Amino acid sequence: GAVVSQHPSWVICKSGTSVKIECRSLDFQATTMFWYRQFPKQSLMLMATSNEGSKATYEQGVEKDKFLINHASLTLSTLTVTSAHPEDSSFYICSTKTGGAYQPQHFGDGTRLSIL
Amino acid sequence: DAKTTQPPSMDCAEGRAANLPCNHSTISGNEYVYWYRQIHSQGPQYIIHGLKNNETNEMASLIITEDRKSSTLILPHATLRDTAVYYCIVRERSGGSNYKLTFGKGTLLTVNP
Repeated sequence: GAVVSQHPSWVICKSGTSVKIECRSLDFQATTMFWYRQFPKQSLMLMATSNEGSKATYEQGVEKDKFLINHASLTLSTLTVTSAHPEDSSFYICSTKTGGAYQPQHFGDGTRLSIL
Repeated sequence: DAKTTQPPSMDCAEGRAANLPCNHSTISGNEYVYWYRQIHSQGPQYIIHGLKNNETNEMASLIITEDRKSSTLILPHATLRDTAVYYCIVRERSGGSNYKLTFGKGTLLTVNP
């Protein structure tokens, strides 16, 4: 069954608005969550790593003030795309690990964001 | 950059075994190899992972060469629903005790009827 739940699965909004995406771990505590972005016909790119109760670590080239990550609990992390523009349209995917250091990451079903 | 190389695409007949190769010549002694797949417009799905021994689960088998520089994912009886992009990944350290998965371009496996 699903390990990670992501919501919403699809969102369309006007340019300039902010959009929040939720990622929940189901039946386990996720101390670390990962946020990825995928443009059409490209591979997944890691945006940031968030640890519960601390600030997220962003990958080079990702604007931390534009992509706000909150990981306030062990089962929920949120990604907020602030003042979204058409170039932010993409497929956003969260991921987390369920166990020890070498256990695999599991991914949500993704959120397709379209900015008009 | 990804630490693995894979062929960009492969075809397989439905019902036959699909063998997907991956080269990871710079892998270090304690690094695992992870395989994921991504069906169109979905999040990646974990398939299997291994260190040096061959592994098998309900989805696939993973064969790792003795020198650990390459591996092969085997789908024993491919179905049309196995059509997807398959990613072979060796994790990278991202700072402290954290690791990250870096996705390359993967192999697009097309299962044909």
